[in-house]
Parts: sequence; structure tokens; C-alpha cells
Amino acid sequence: QKEVEQNSGPLSVPEGAIASLNCTYSDRGSQSFFWYRQYSGKSPELIMSIYSNGDKEDGRFTAQLNKASQYVSLLIRDSQPSDSATYLCAVNSEAGYNAGNMLTFGGGTRLMVKP
Amino acid sequence: DGGITQSPKYLFRKEGQNVTLSCEQNLNHDAMYWYRQDPGQGLRLIYYSQIVNDFQKGDIAEGYSVSREKKESFPLTVTSAQKNPTAFYLCAIAAGVPYNEQFFGPGTRLTVL
Repeated sequence: QKEVEQNSGPLSVPEGAIASLNCTYSDRGSQSFFWYRQYSGKSPELIMSIYSNGDKEDGRFTAQLNKASQYVSLLIRDSQPSDSATYLCAVNSEAGYNAGNMLTFGGGTRLMVKP
Repeated sequence: DGGITQSPKYLFRKEGQNVTLSCEQNLNHDAMYWYRQDPGQGLRLIYYSQIVNDFQKGDIAEGYSVSREKKESFPLTVTSAQKNPTAFYLCAIAAGVPYNEQFFGPGTRLTVL
């Protein structure tokens, strides 16, 4: 059984701080890693994808991947109240043509950014 | 306008009734998925389809059925056999190789009265 684990939170940070969201996964063969943001009552929105060890930056967001430790994280710099949402980690353990395109989702971490 | 559409946005069902949720896409992607989300929880896979006229059960397929007669459409039927159907239902497409990012429609919130 492939598992993806996240702390459910809530994680509370003051406006302007760095929010750090963490995710661990059980399948050592995992290939692709995704972070989704989900506002209350809305569908998940893909905000970051990462496929190689190291850091990937996109604006205020940085995804970090460590395959040896089976750990992926999302950093949000200069957090804003509008970043308050649930962040879902998802892992794809297959790759390439005719792969199953299957994602396993964590339960999500609720982030609260206080003004 | 384009992308992934789901209808209706809200759906109310009496116990014992079957209901069908619509999912349509005009992105020309082959793979489509149905997920269920319960309050405060992650997403669980119900069914998926990699190609027209073919679909596979996910982790929680019992009480649900699907069809894939057209590339653009992947409707989900919630049958009376589904014991706890009240949930948020999400349809997704996969962008394809090599990274298989999934993108979601706006969702349908089903409530059983």
C-alpha cells in the first residue's frame, strides 16, 4: 500500500513569515511529486511539480525533494493571508509512456496565515 | 471557454436513488479520473480511464459506475448501493507523459437527504 503522509495542522504563521509544509512517502520508486492548493469549498489547484532531487523555485514557492529520505516539502516565502488554504501533497510512482498516471494523495495540511 | 467542466455544482439525492455526475473536457487528453473527498480528508480514487471504452476501478469503486463512450466525457453514476455517498466529487485529467500532472474540474458536492 503506497502511503503519503502530511501533518493535518493547522499550521499557523504570521503574515510575512515563511511557511514550511512537509510530506513523506512510502514508495521508494516514486518518480513525480506535486503540491496542490485547495481553498475551502473549491477544487485542488496544481501549484508546484518536482521530479529531481533538490530545490525548485517558482515565485514565492519553493519545492524541495529528497528521494533518499523520501521527503518532499513546500516553502512559502512572505506568506499572505490569501495563502490560507489546505495544501495537498501527491506522489506518482509510475513514469513514462503507458504509465498508470496514478497519484496517491496525502490528507493535506491546513495553513492559516494571520495578518 | 475551455478546460474541465463538471455539473451540477450541487446535487441533492434521496436515499435509494441513482444519480449521475457529469465530467466533460475539451483538452484532448486521454486519461480521466474520478475522486471522492470527504471533509478534512485527502482524495480517494474511485475510477479512472486511460482511453475510450476502457476504465479501471480505483480504491473505492464499490457503489459507483462509469462509462467512457467519448474521449471528452467520463460520467460517474452514484448508485443506491453506495452506503455513504455524501461527499465532494472531483473529476481530473492527466496531462500525459512524462510527468502526468493532474488537473481538476470544479467539483460536484453531493448530499443525500
